[in-house]
Amino acid sequence: GAGVSQSPSNKVTEKGKDVELRCDPISGHTALYWYRQSLGQGLEFLIYFQGNSAPDKSGLPSDRFSAERTGGSVSTLTIQRTQQEDSAVYLCASSLDLGGAYNEQFFGPGTRLTVL
Amino acid sequence: GQNIDQPTEMTATEGAIVQINCTYQTSGFNGLFWYQQHAGEAPTFLSYNVLDGLEEKGRFSSFLSRSKGYSYLLLKELQMKDSASYLCAVRDRDYKLSFGAGTTVTVRA
Repeated sequence: GAGVSQSPSNKVTEKGKDVELRCDPISGHTALYWYRQSLGQGLEFLIYFQGNSAPDKSGLPSDRFSAERTGGSVSTLTIQRTQQEDSAVYLCASSLDLGGAYNEQFFGPGTRLTVL
Repeated sequence: GQNIDQPTEMTATEGAIVQINCTYQTSGFNGLFWYQQHAGEAPTFLSYNVLDGLEEKGRFSSFLSRSKGYSYLLLKELQMKDSASYLCAVRDRDYKLSFGAGTTVTVRA
């Protein structure tokens, strides 16, 4: 695709419900990243994928958070039993590869999650 | 892990120059990025440094000193559209990108 897309753009849910956030990276990008940005805060790294593999899940805030990527393309971030502190903008980014020079990350528009 | 510091806010006049400093402490350095983020929008890439020195890209330049754990982003000939948050991000050897809290630049006429 032309850019990274994310859905939904906005999600309002009740505390305790599960939510699923989707990211569609730029075609051909093997690396995919999830970040969280709370109001007025910097970006908090959550997890990255190289292909379908996530080598390091230590950035996930709790075991209520999980992510998967299938077919080396679309990724889903799932938050179970949502809490109010999960309210934030969840940003996805992709890059051609992990390392190397100018391997800039292209960001999607984000999903704004509000937990009531 | 990473510890990245940058000023919270800066204000400058249209046509002027502003320098945004970023200091970092890292367990393994593998490149430094600057991103621009307008309110309510996703970050967009501005510059990348991995070796010491200055990288120039039009009105924007970025400098890196690895020995000092220091970078700056220089914005020249400021325009109103440059009003945004500027994010310093450090990549580690595990390819994780850690972001500073961002510097909000306000350009005044």
